[in-house]
Parts: sequence; structure tokens; C-alpha cells
Amino acid sequence: EDQVTQSPEALRLQEGESSSLNCSYTVSGLRGLFWYRQDPGKGPEFLFTLYSAGEEKEKERLKATLTKKESFLHITAPKPEDSATYLCAVQAVRFQKLVFGTGTRLLVSP
Amino acid sequence: ETGVTQTPRHLVMGMTNKKSLKCEQHLGHNAMYWYKQSAKKPLELMFVYSLEERVENNSVPSRFSPECPNSSHLFLHLHTLQPEDSALYLCASSPDRGRLETQYFGPGTRLLVL
Repeated sequence: EDQVTQSPEALRLQEGESSSLNCSYTVSGLRGLFWYRQDPGKGPEFLFTLYSAGEEKEKERLKATLTKKESFLHITAPKPEDSATYLCAVQAVRFQKLVFGTGTRLLVSP
Repeated sequence: ETGVTQTPRHLVMGMTNKKSLKCEQHLGHNAMYWYKQSAKKPLELMFVYSLEERVENNSVPSRFSPECPNSSHLFLHLHTLQPEDSALYLCASSPDRGRLETQYFGPGTRLLVL
């Protein structure tokens, strides 16, 4: 069974304090790993898709990396506006649907 | 209006009520989805429609009844719900069923069942 585990469940950072969020996954044949950002009262907003181990993608202060077992979302010098829940999901080759993790709630204090 | 819109944004209903959630997408997409997001649980895919045909139903109880009258509109009809059905219900769309990289989510309907 395809499964996604995210850690930590919640993370509190000071503005400028870099850190990483983890997404561990088990899937029989990975088609893609997805990262989303979700603000309170809103739907998830797409950030990145990674397709193969060793791939990296960046967007502003965010950088996503992928290995064969996990993905990291690195946040460099975060700002309060980066506060949100970050969701990870995988799509297996054989399925046309996403399996989500429970997310990491990030709070960045000024 | 642009993107994916959902109405109502908030809904409180009793267990004997019948209500409907509405989703509309203005992106010209051919696939639409209903997800359920409960506290401390992963997003769960409920239904998938592709070109107005239901192509996936993930063991969802019959008290949830989807309807897709055209490729721009999706409804979720609710009847005799249980308190554990309280959750955020998200609608999404994508150009076609396989292109999840371009799946856009609506803001959701927060449902409370009393």
C-alpha cells in the first residue's frame, strides 16, 4: 500500500532560521512526488513536482529534493509569510491519483 | 471569476438534512475531483470525474452522491450525514485525469454536522 509520512507534525521557527521538512514515502513505482502549501481557509496550492531521485527544484526561499525513500523541503531564511501547512503527496505509476501525508504546520515568528 | 470556486464556504447541517455543495471551474479542464480533509488526517480522494463520467469512487458511503452535469460544474449531494462527516470538502480540477501536476484546488467548504 502506498504511504506518505511527514515530520515534524508542527514546526516553529524564528524569522531567518533555516530548517527542513521531511516527507518519507513508500510506493510501488513512483511517478511523481508533489509538494503543496495550504493556508488556513484555503485549498492546497501547488509548489513542486519531483520525478526522480537526485532531482531538486527551487522557488524563492523553498528548495525541494528527492531520494528513493524521502523528500525534503528546505526553507532558507524563512519569513512570517511562509507560515502555512506544507503537504506532500505521491503518485504511483499505476494510479492516476495522489496519496497525501498529514502535513507539517509551519509557524515563522518575526 | 477565475480558478476553482466552491459554495457555500461554510455549512452547518443536522443529520436529517439534505444539502448540496457546488464547485465550478473556469479553467477549461476536463477532470474534476472531490476530496475530504479531516483534522489530523491526510486528504482523501472521494470521487473523480473525467469528461463528465465518474471514473473513480473510493469506497465513499452512499450518503454522499456526486453529480457532474458538465465539465465546468461538480456537485456533492449530502443526506443523512453523521457527525464524523464534519470536515473540509475540497474540489479540484485538472486538464485531464492524468495531469495532476496542474491540479488546482478550490478554497473548500467547511462542513459541520450536528
